[in-house]
Amino acid sequence: GESVGLHLPTLSVQEGDNSIINCAYSNSASDYFIWYKQESGKGPQFIIDIRSNMDKRQGQRVTVLLNKTVKHLSLQIAATQPGDSAVYFCAENTQGGKLIFGQGTELSVKP
Amino acid sequence: NAGVMQNPRHLVRRRGQEARLRCSPMKGHSHVYWYRQLPEEGLKFMVYLQKENIIDESGMPKERFSAEFPKEGPSILRIQQVVRGDSAAYFCASSPRSHFEKLFFGSGTQLSVL
Repeated sequence: GESVGLHLPTLSVQEGDNSIINCAYSNSASDYFIWYKQESGKGPQFIIDIRSNMDKRQGQRVTVLLNKTVKHLSLQIAATQPGDSAVYFCAENTQGGKLIFGQGTELSVKP
Repeated sequence: NAGVMQNPRHLVRRRGQEARLRCSPMKGHSHVYWYRQLPEEGLKFMVYLQKENIIDESGMPKERFSAEFPKEGPSILRIQQVVRGDSAAYFCASSPRSHFEKLFFGSGTQLSVL
């Protein structure tokens, strides 16, 4: 089965609130993780990545946290906007660049 | 600077027909990956190719599916004798070199088998 999965399939938040999307992985040898955003009818769009030698990385309005002890990854979106509504996937990198994707979490932003 | 280009965007085939999906990687990228996405699911790896070489086809079904990436032209994912279960979105991604973690994805081809 997949080594990367998500805790919740859907998440609904109020516009302006912060969003937290979680992901669990099972391969302790994985050393690189990526979050992608996929809007309806489009391909996955890169958001942010993190290597296993880090536990936090920040981008514009997004932060990724990595907890290697419990093999958990999260994506935090600050001040969520309607344009953030999409399905979010975490992906784990194996050697050779073959990404393994989780099931995805659908984020819905209420105005 | 065009991104990964896939065509067609939508492809309708009847059972038993052949489907050909095309992918042109980003300029300067010589590594191509194909993924399949069923409704409400994540992307499943199918095959990884370099120019004229198949590097990893561990996700490809053993029958009816094939992929190529010739020296000139786009990468082609070919599905022979399609069945309804082949209906899915097929995404192509590219990278500039091997072992490059961040992949750039195209907009996908939605295959519908009637």
